[in-house]
Parts: sequence; C-alpha cells; structure tokens
Amino acid sequence: DGGITQSPKYLFRKEGQNVTLSCEQNLNHDAMYWYRQDPGQGLRLIYYSQIVNDFQKGDIAEGYSVSREKKESFPLTVTSAQKNPTAFYLCASSPNRQGYTEAFFGQGTRLTVV
Amino acid sequence: DQQVKQNSPSLSVQEGRISILNCDYTNSMFDYFLWYKKYPAEGPTFLISISSIKDKNEDGRFTVFLNKSAKHLSLHIVPSQPGDSAVYFCAATQYSGYALNFGKGTSLLVTP
Repeated sequence: DGGITQSPKYLFRKEGQNVTLSCEQNLNHDAMYWYRQDPGQGLRLIYYSQIVNDFQKGDIAEGYSVSREKKESFPLTVTSAQKNPTAFYLCASSPNRQGYTEAFFGQGTRLTVV
Repeated sequence: DQQVKQNSPSLSVQEGRISILNCDYTNSMFDYFLWYKKYPAEGPTFLISISSIKDKNEDGRFTVFLNKSAKHLSLHIVPSQPGDSAVYFCAATQYSGYALNFGKGTSLLVTP
C-alpha cells in the first residue's frame, strides 16, 4: 500500500541526547515536511524539502536538523539544543513542487524526554 | 504570528444537526485553503479544499465556504454524525507556495 510511514510511534529520550525520527514515503512525492504538534498549538512547520538534497527551515527549526538524500526519506534529528522536545511529530508529503495539492500525513511519532 | 486562526477551541453539536467550523486568515497572499480532520495520536487526514477562485466547494456532507473580502472560511457538516467527532484543522497556503499554515484546531463533539 502507498503511504507515509513514521517510526517509531513512541520514543523516549534522555535529556542531552540526540534522537532521529524516521519518515519514509512510497507515494513518489517530491515535497516532504516535518510538523510539530503541541496541545492547543496546532501544527507548526519545522523543516520542509521540495527536492532531494535541498531543504529549508520552517517556523521553528531551532534545535532540529534534517537530511534529504533520497526522494523517499526525510529523517528529522531532534538535537540536545532543542529546549522543549517533548511533542507529537508529524511528517507529510505532497506531490507537487510547483503548485499545490493536499499534503498526506504519517501517523506521527510521540517523543517524550525523560 | 498566527496567520490562520480558529477562534473556537471546541464545538458541541447534536447528531443530525449542522456543524459550522470557522477559520480566519490574515495573509492576503493565501489562495488555497484546506480542512483536515484529526483523531488523537494519529496524523491528520484531508477532508476538503477550496481555491480562491471559488467561494464554495461541496463534497458529500462537507461544504467549505470562502469569503475572500472578509478573509474567512467555514466548514459545514450536514448532517453531523457521531463519527465526525474529532479535531478539525484549517490550513492555508499560496498555490505556488511550499507548506501549509495551520490553525490551532477546533474540537468537534457530535452527541447522539
């Protein structure tokens, strides 16, 4: 089945450690995105990529890093510099670089810092 | 600064009645608008969209209305069903833009 797979669903991290969240899509979409959801805050854009080997910062990129070495994959690293990393992280993809259609979301990863 | 605003955090409606969810935006460059539905601990799923060249778009029980002069859109669900209970997010972008700007969501509860 085509779709977006995020793993793991739940992740626990000790303070001071980096952690990488996986996002893979087999929809042949060009663009991929990472959003963060906090209670009462909606979805905020962390990073996005419209093409392989290129990505841009979103509204809340500080403390995060990404890579886009393959069209299918867009991993997000939450670094120790992120002051409040506990959140629900959502990956999405969309088919167009130019123009727009709806974005398709994965099932999310719940990250908890312990 | 929040460019997409959903000012009602929650809404409760009886089954069979109409649900109206509202959304306002501030960026006049936005020309494509979407509604997503989200259950807890899951990713949002796309419901319906509208481009700025239209003022209405229907898909079954769901209708989105766009008032560009007021920078306002609304989602109507008729008739509401208990399975519609979820958080609804309004989103906006420029058609040639890069990512969606989301509101904070409205939690809809449809009671039997």
